[in-house]
Amino acid sequence: AQKITQTQPGMFVQEKEAVTLDCTYDTSDPSYGLFWYKQPSSGEMIFLIYQGSYDQQNATEGRYSLNFQKARKSANLVISASQLGDSAMYFCAMRDLWRAGSYQLTFGKGTKLSVIP
Amino acid sequence: GAGVSQSPRYKVAKRGQDVALRCDPISGHVSLFWYQQALGQGPEFLTYFQNEAQLDKSGLPSDRFFAERPEGSVSTLKIQRTQQEDSAVYLCASSPGQGAEVVDQETQYFGPGTRLLVL
Repeated sequence: AQKITQTQPGMFVQEKEAVTLDCTYDTSDPSYGLFWYKQPSSGEMIFLIYQGSYDQQNATEGRYSLNFQKARKSANLVISASQLGDSAMYFCAMRDLWRAGSYQLTFGKGTKLSVIP
Repeated sequence: GAGVSQSPRYKVAKRGQDVALRCDPISGHVSLFWYQQALGQGPEFLTYFQNEAQLDKSGLPSDRFFAERPEGSVSTLKIQRTQQEDSAVYLCASSPGQGAEVVDQETQYFGPGTRLLVL
């Protein structure tokens, strides 16, 4: 079974600073995908970034980058130059790419990020 | 382009009532998912459709929950005889199911959710 652990219930960051949100995962599958989503107070889950388990390079998408350490089973999200609009819940999720019939995302409990002016 | 839409956005039901939640996925998306998100938790998988076929319903918590996608586009999640523990946000997501890269195929795009409160 897959499991995602996000150990930081809440984080604060000063505007314009960088912040790292932690995510560790547990799986026995050889091939998987890791996703980060942002959920503002409006409720919609917004896709941020994806990392495949066999990707050689860490994923980057604008101000978002994923610090993927496969041996440690961690996939931390780094947000550079924080903005007030980054204040939201952030969820790490995993999708098994190995087993047939396994399509759903498994989510962590999330981290609430608050950006301080 | 238009994203995933869900209706109603908010629903208050009395215990024992039946409710129906609607999801309009992104046009052309093959895959459709329903998730349940309890307060303060991450979303949990309920069911998955590939076109009109329901390929996985392992996450549905009881036989009071039923989902359909008869023409492979719009989907409805129905909850019969609602209970207080059904109170949650119900999220719908769709994904292309095809594309050059895995990220193109597999990324799920979510709707705004339906917040259900059962009194």
